[in-house]
Order: sequence, then structure tokens, then C-alpha cells
Amino acid sequence: AQTVTQSQPEMSVQEAETVTLSCTYDTSENNYYLFWYKQPPSRQMILVIRQEAYKQQNATENRFSVNFQKAAKSFSLKISDSQLGDTAMYFCALFTKDSNYQLIWGAGTKLIIKP
Amino acid sequence: GAVVSQHPSRVICKSGTSVKIECRSLDFQATTMFWYRQFPKQSLMLMATSNEGSKATYEQGVEKDKFLINHASLTLSTLTVTSAHPEDSSFYICSLSASGSDTQYFGPGTRLTVL
Repeated sequence: AQTVTQSQPEMSVQEAETVTLSCTYDTSENNYYLFWYKQPPSRQMILVIRQEAYKQQNATENRFSVNFQKAAKSFSLKISDSQLGDTAMYFCALFTKDSNYQLIWGAGTKLIIKP
Repeated sequence: GAVVSQHPSRVICKSGTSVKIECRSLDFQATTMFWYRQFPKQSLMLMATSNEGSKATYEQGVEKDKFLINHASLTLSTLTVTSAHPEDSSFYICSLSASGSDTQYFGPGTRLTVL
């Protein structure tokens, strides 16, 4: 069975600081995809970043980057130069064909950016 | 990414009535649509997966006669909560993806309150 674990229920940092959110997962598949989604107070789920497991290069999207450690099954999200608008729930998710094309979700991390 | 609309964004109804929630893809042909339920401060709980023109596949514990899903076209899926009760009050979110795709795009959600 596939699982996704986010061990940090809540984090807070000062504006402009860098913050790293952790995510570990478990799957027996070799080909899968990992995602970070953001859910701000509006509750609209927004795709932040996507990583293909067969690619060794870490995905980046502007201030957002991941540290993908396939052997350790770790997929952390780094937010650089954090902004007030980054305040949100962040969910890590795993996609494999074994999961019937569904996303397996972590419990989420609430991130608060303080002014 | 795809643009997904959901209507209504908020609905309040009396116990025993039925409520229909629409999920539309505005610029994308969605062969697969997902319906989620989200309780406060929790992750997304998948209710069902629907493929265009086929019956929805419900997750264990989700009553298919209570939560009717119709995916009649590549751009529209509906969730009808029949004979709603206060315990059905929740935030309902739809998402969509293309056939076999790993990425889901989300609607803005519908807050249902049953009095």
C-alpha cells in the first residue's frame, strides 16, 4: 500500500526566511509522481510543484524547489524568500498507477508566514 | 494548468433536501473527475472517481445512493447529495485530469451546510 507522511502539523517563519516542509512516502513502484499542493485560506487547491520519480534532477518553480531523495523516499519542499501570500496548508501527494490513478495525500502542514 | 469551476461556492439547505454541485472544466477535456470531501483542518478524502460516460467508482464507506455522481460529458460532472443531513455538512471539492494523466486540477470547492 502507498502512504504519504507529513510529520510537521504546523510551522511558522518570518517573512523573507527560507522554510523546508518535509514529506516521506512509501511505494513499491519504480515509476511514480510526487506533488506539492498549496491550499490558502480561500481553500482553492493550487499545484505548486511536480516531480517525476525517474528524473534525478530536483524540480523547481521560482521560489519553490524540492529535495527529492528517491532511495530515502523523501520529498521535501523548500520555499525561499517566503512571502505573506505563502501562508497556507501544504499537502504532499503521490501518484502511482497502482493507486488507480488516484492521488495519495499526506495530512498536510500548516505554514504561517509572519510579517 | 486547467481552469475548473464549481457551482455553487456555498449552499445552505434544510435537512432532507437534495443539493446538486456542478464541476466544469472551462478549457480542458476531462476524461476523469474526482470528488473529494474535506473536513476542517484535515486532508482531502476521496469520495469517488468518475470517467466520462461511465458509472462512478466509489470509495469504501461512501454511500453511492446518497452521493450521486454523473459525468455526462468531458466538461461537466455533478455531485448530488440526496436527502442531506447535518452530518453531510462539509467542504466538497472536485478535480479533473486527462486520461492516464498524473496531474489533477482542482475546482474552488463548495461549502455545504445542512440545517
